[in-house]
Amino acid sequence: AIRMTQSPSSFSASTGDRVTITCRASQGISSYLAWYQQKPGKAPKLLIYAASTLQSGVPSRFSGSGSGTDFTLTISCLQSEDFATYYCQQYYSYPPYTFGQGTKLEIK
Amino acid sequence: EVQLLESGGGLVQPGGSLRLSCAASGFTFSSYAMSWVRQAPGKGLEWVSAISGSGGSTYYADSVKGRFTISRDNSKNTLYLQMNSLRAEDTAVYYCAKDFPYYYGSGSYYPGAFDIWGQGTMVTVSS
Repeated sequence: AIRMTQSPSSFSASTGDRVTITCRASQGISSYLAWYQQKPGKAPKLLIYAASTLQSGVPSRFSGSGSGTDFTLTISCLQSEDFATYYCQQYYSYPPYTFGQGTKLEIK
Repeated sequence: EVQLLESGGGLVQPGGSLRLSCAASGFTFSSYAMSWVRQAPGKGLEWVSAISGSGGSTYYADSVKGRFTISRDNSKNTLYLQMNSLRAEDTAVYYCAKDFPYYYGSGSYYPGAFDIWGQGTMVTVSS
């Protein structure tokens, strides 16, 4: 199975900051990568697919990049509603689909 | 509105069984693969099982293979997960999720990310 590793596992930032979360795949996955946002007690929400394509309705302050094994999710100007846990997921090779362990973004 | 609504969770003893359901609305259910994804308390997301739109192909995580069975009834727009021989480590919130194919056409379907998720149903395995 392809292993997905996110860094950092947790992170503190302030409203208005620019933040970047990294996801690394254990083998090349082309651009078959998605990013999700999850708030406590809620289901995950798709933010980005195909590594860099913004899902409909997602604010433009979110962006994704990368291909092969290294990917990033960037939030250009943090808003209060962005404090959540973020997961990457590969859909290049399945089963199994695999997720990163998550990055919890907290208020500083 | 596109919506998924899970039901069937609850408390079950180790070794017991439970069947989860996921009612879909707002899209052509039979056209899309569907998955179950779970999240143990305080932990990350774990994909559990997937099924093709027709129901003819099914896939399982190693952790549930031989114990769980995914199925669907396209006439009822409903997805199921039959869970047998439950263990404490199966305790989790179970989400159903709709596939967002990265290519769909000309008789081909290539699964992608999960664009619609249900609200989740809690399964607790404990004596």
